Amino acid sequence: DAKTTQPNSMESNEEEPVHLPCNHSTISGTDYIHWYRQLPSQGPEYVIHGLTSNVNNRMASLAIAEDRKSSTLILHRATLRDAAVYYCILRDGIKAAGNKLTFGGGTRVLVKP
Amino acid sequence: DTGVSQNPRHKITKRGQNVTFRCDPISEHNRLYWYRQTLGQGPEFLTYFQNEAQLEKSRLLSDRFSAERPKGSFSTLEIQRTEQGDSAMYLCASSSAGKGPKFETQYFGPGTRLLVL
Repeated sequence: DAKTTQPNSMESNEEEPVHLPCNHSTISGTDYIHWYRQLPSQGPEYVIHGLTSNVNNRMASLAIAEDRKSSTLILHRATLRDAAVYYCILRDGIKAAGNKLTFGGGTRVLVKP
Repeated sequence: DTGVSQNPRHKITKRGQNVTFRCDPISEHNRLYWYRQTLGQGPEFLTYFQNEAQLEKSRLLSDRFSAERPKGSFSTLEIQRTEQGDSAMYLCASSSAGKGPKFETQYFGPGTRLLVL
């Protein structure tokens, strides 16, 4: 499985944007970039995913580098409820191996009031 | 919207005992996953079912672990002869597999926290 590299932790102030980087230099052409987050004492939840183009939804934006070797999850205005561990995950869009999620260590986001 | 539910939420057991966890997925979801998460780590895949068929098992799933999904609805995960190293959070997720991993979103339950003394 292609691996991802994320910083262990990041801090942000409330109401400010948060940019979470993810490196995936060995990404293959059929790998989709998925982001999940895990709030304290909860199971992970889906945030966003993309292949090549930047993506936006109500939770976040995903900016994907042109060579696809890195991506950035953007939380536009962090709230205290966004404090969580954010996981960047590659999923093969063709092979059955893409069915399971392969989590790394993720980035722990701390939001300060 | 009932979401994915797991029972019990917490389990304390003594080494050598057997434990069983239950997962009730979102009702229309045909795919069900089990993951294990130890403190400070991301979840690790254990196994998954499509309907009642167990399609993949991780090497983490030793002979002491068995999972079932008898009627393609709820699932159970049993650990026999528990060891202290089995202490972890056991997470269940479900999804609708119709569109494949390109679009599939997994919905996680709150997990069952196991402590083996």
